[in-house]
Amino acid sequence: DQQVKQNSPSLSVQEGRISILNCDYTNSMFDYFLWYKKYPAEGPTFLISISSIKDKNEDGRFTVFLNKSAKHLSLHIVPSQPGDSAVYFCAASAGAQKLVFGQGTRLTINP
Amino acid sequence: DVKVTQSSRYLVKRTGEKVFLECVQDMDHENMFWYRQDPGLGLRLIYFSYDVKMKEKGDIPEGYSVSREKKERFSLILESASTNQTSMYLCASSRGTSGRRDTQYFGPGTRLTVL
Repeated sequence: DQQVKQNSPSLSVQEGRISILNCDYTNSMFDYFLWYKKYPAEGPTFLISISSIKDKNEDGRFTVFLNKSAKHLSLHIVPSQPGDSAVYFCAASAGAQKLVFGQGTRLTINP
Repeated sequence: DVKVTQSSRYLVKRTGEKVFLECVQDMDHENMFWYRQDPGLGLRLIYFSYDVKMKEKGDIPEGYSVSREKKERFSLILESASTNQTSMYLCASSRGTSGRRDTQYFGPGTRLTVL
């Protein structure tokens, strides 16, 4: 039973355009959400997070949006750069330190 | 910078062998975690520990055990390796401040192949 789902295994975007990665969740107890980025042969690195009391959090080129009623979050990267090519994981937690991860989306930025 | 290191980047073992995966963090973090990453399944939590000598089962603990004798070190043990345990294993740690959400910091991973 996948509580956190990333339905797009891959996404291809032109350099300079906006990349939008999506994530859906089923557990209404989740109250904290994170995005991680993973390059091949490296561990995931933390990118950005959002608490359920907010609907948007911004950090430079990265913005995370949370729609609680739809149980949906998205990560926007603008403008997209070649170094953004990686696998992106969304994760969620419910009042504890444990995280539940999605399956990941492979983002490719084309020059 | 937080540093999480794992003892091996690549490991090849035979079915039935006992396998030890070691993880060390250098930031005095309270929490440590072991995940496995498989294509199409994302990261799944095997075991975690909130304190020395303390452990809790994650979502897929079957076939694994852990040991945390020192705060900085968290070991994952495959008692009798099987081919379905071929995977990428990732260790993570977080500060563990109560009442606060902590970022988890990951090691580079160990790619284990069981033949």
